[in-house]
Amino acid sequence: NAGVTQTPKFRILKIGQSMTLQCAQDMNHNYMYWYRQDPGMGLKLIYYSVGAGITDKGEVPNGYNVSRSTTEDFPLRLELAAPSQTSVYFCASSYETRNLYGYTFGSGTRLTVV
Amino acid sequence: GDSVTQMEGPVTLSEEAFLTINCTYTATGYPSLFWYVQYPGEGLQLLLKATKADDKGSNKGFEATYRKETTSFHLEKGSVQVSDSAVYFCALSEDNNDMRFGAGTRLTVKP
Repeated sequence: NAGVTQTPKFRILKIGQSMTLQCAQDMNHNYMYWYRQDPGMGLKLIYYSVGAGITDKGEVPNGYNVSRSTTEDFPLRLELAAPSQTSVYFCASSYETRNLYGYTFGSGTRLTVV
Repeated sequence: GDSVTQMEGPVTLSEEAFLTINCTYTATGYPSLFWYVQYPGEGLQLLLKATKADDKGSNKGFEATYRKETTSFHLEKGSVQVSDSAVYFCALSEDNNDMRFGAGTRLTVKP
């Protein structure tokens, strides 16, 4: 099915470890986003990209890095994991005209840092 | 900057009850407005949208009308079902800028 695919679905990391959350979309969307969702806090934008080779910081970028080498893929890298990064992470994508069509979200990655 | 405020939850209703989840927004221009739904263990799904004043978005029995005069986009459903239990997010996007989300409202529908 067309859409946004995130892997893994669950992960437990130890403090100081690193990992990459994968995100891929097959809708030829130029725009892609990473959000984190903390309980009762809504969604906070971590990083976004408006096309291959272009990325920019969102509201809460510290402790994360991204890359966008292709239109389809937008991985999120966590370096030196900290307990504060325990969260559910959502990747999303959209057409440039996002005010007309909204976003398509992946099913999320639940990350626990212990 | 642009922002969205939605009613705090949780909201608990009995099956077939009427649902209203309030959403108000702050924007400098004329944003598009959205409602997303998140079922347990899943990502957000677009439920409905409205792109200009007085537009009514509707889907799956849910409705919301874009009220510019009151800067509101309240979500309504006439008769909720247990399967409607989820978290509902109001959101806006202005001038093709990033989507701004409300904090979410958890709805539980009991049989």
